[in-house]
Amino acid sequence: QVQLEESGPGLMQPSETLSLTCTVSGFSLTSNGVGWVRQPLGKGLVWMGTIWAGGSTNYNSAVQSRLSISRDTSKSQVFLKMNSLQPEDTGTYYCARHARTGLFAYWGQGTLVTVSS
Amino acid sequence: DIVMTQTPSSQAVSAGEKVTMSCKSSQSLLYSENKKNYLAWYQQKPGQSPKLLISWASTRESGVPDRFIGSGSGTDFTLTISSVQAEDLAVYYCEQYYDTPLTFGSGTKLEIK
Repeated sequence: QVQLEESGPGLMQPSETLSLTCTVSGFSLTSNGVGWVRQPLGKGLVWMGTIWAGGSTNYNSAVQSRLSISRDTSKSQVFLKMNSLQPEDTGTYYCARHARTGLFAYWGQGTLVTVSS
Repeated sequence: DIVMTQTPSSQAVSAGEKVTMSCKSSQSLLYSENKKNYLAWYQQKPGQSPKLLISWASTRESGVPDRFIGSGSGTDFTLTISSVQAEDLAVYYCEQYYDTPLTFGSGTKLEIK
């Protein structure tokens, strides 16, 4: 079955670079895109960016200058890197598999990232 | 960017009641070539990740109870729960996937009286 699992550090300092990994199973990264969605504590969902099945990427313009999404298809992993972290980047980060369109058919359990000095 | 507006922000109903919630988009989500609305609904229960309920504005995902009904077209969409159950306590989000940036509504929190 389709599974996604996020991993990464829980606590970051302001100005640091966040690195998250999404390890997937049950599908191929060359068949479905994977996106990252952030949810600040107690708030709504914000799409950050996606790496599509063909390898192209799209980013939310609000974070585009700080964000990079890449993948290793041989390891079934998708990576998120975001630099210049600020406290407002605190939240739960989800990776999610797209259907053939931009909707999110399957979600990981999320990983909480706290940015604080 | 396409702005998604959900109302109400919260709603409290008793089990067995019918509830409706609205999602409006700032531009049409109806793609003329295939006549499909690029609108999804998600359910996020407390402490859980979101779950896809409905795609294409009205297509229930496999395993989703038939009390969840999506309707609407163009810019106005509705999620109806025909007879609310206690386990439906959650926040419900709409998402447009017509264009990037993909955008979500701010959510409707459903509380059970």
